[in-house]
Amino acid sequence: EVQLVESGGGLVQPGGSLRLSCAASGFSFSTYSMNWVRQAPGKGLEWVSCITSSSSTMYYADSVKGRFTISRDNAKNSLYLQMNSLRDEDTAVYYCARVGEFWFFDSWGQGTLVTVSS
Amino acid sequence: DIQMTQSPSSLSASVGDRVTITCRASQGISNSLAWYQQKPGKVPKLLISAASTLRSGVPSRFSGSGSETDFTLTISSLQPEDVATYFCQKYNSAPLTFGGGTKVEIK
Repeated sequence: EVQLVESGGGLVQPGGSLRLSCAASGFSFSTYSMNWVRQAPGKGLEWVSCITSSSSTMYYADSVKGRFTISRDNAKNSLYLQMNSLRDEDTAVYYCARVGEFWFFDSWGQGTLVTVSS
Repeated sequence: DIQMTQSPSSLSASVGDRVTITCRASQGISNSLAWYQQKPGKVPKLLISAASTLRSGVPSRFSGSGSETDFTLTISSLQPEDVATYFCQKYNSAPLTFGGGTKVEIK
């Protein structure tokens, strides 16, 4: 069974930093591209970032480009999101999500809440 | 970047009604469109990929159609357990944009 478990969320002040982690199990992690998707309270889904299986390519939404960095450690079956220069509007539940050959999200974690507030 | 526009943003229908949700892409995306269902307080669930391919375990009352710029998600007979917000998502290339969502309620 595919499992994705996010951690690292919490309360952070504007301008601060946070690092999210996603632990994967139940599938061959190193062969899949992985993503972060977020959802602000009461709002819709927003794709944040994608990293290919070998970390050869990373993609970012314009709203986080230059502030967030996605990375992965295939030896540890883990995905990360380093978030710097956080803003109020980054407050959201952050989901780790898997994509296959075609980039729709076939598995999701339960999410971790990030709150940016003074 | 390609924008995804869903309509309506919300709807209320009776049990047994046929419900149709529309998703429009600002440029053609072939059939690279997925639909998700998110029940209150839950994680999104993939319903349909490639515009019309029902995922395993999804009830047959759900169907999808369309190509290039115009897509629809249809629930042929609305059930109480279908109360949720539905999102479309394009996946032909990054950015992997979602539509704004359609909240479905029971009248």
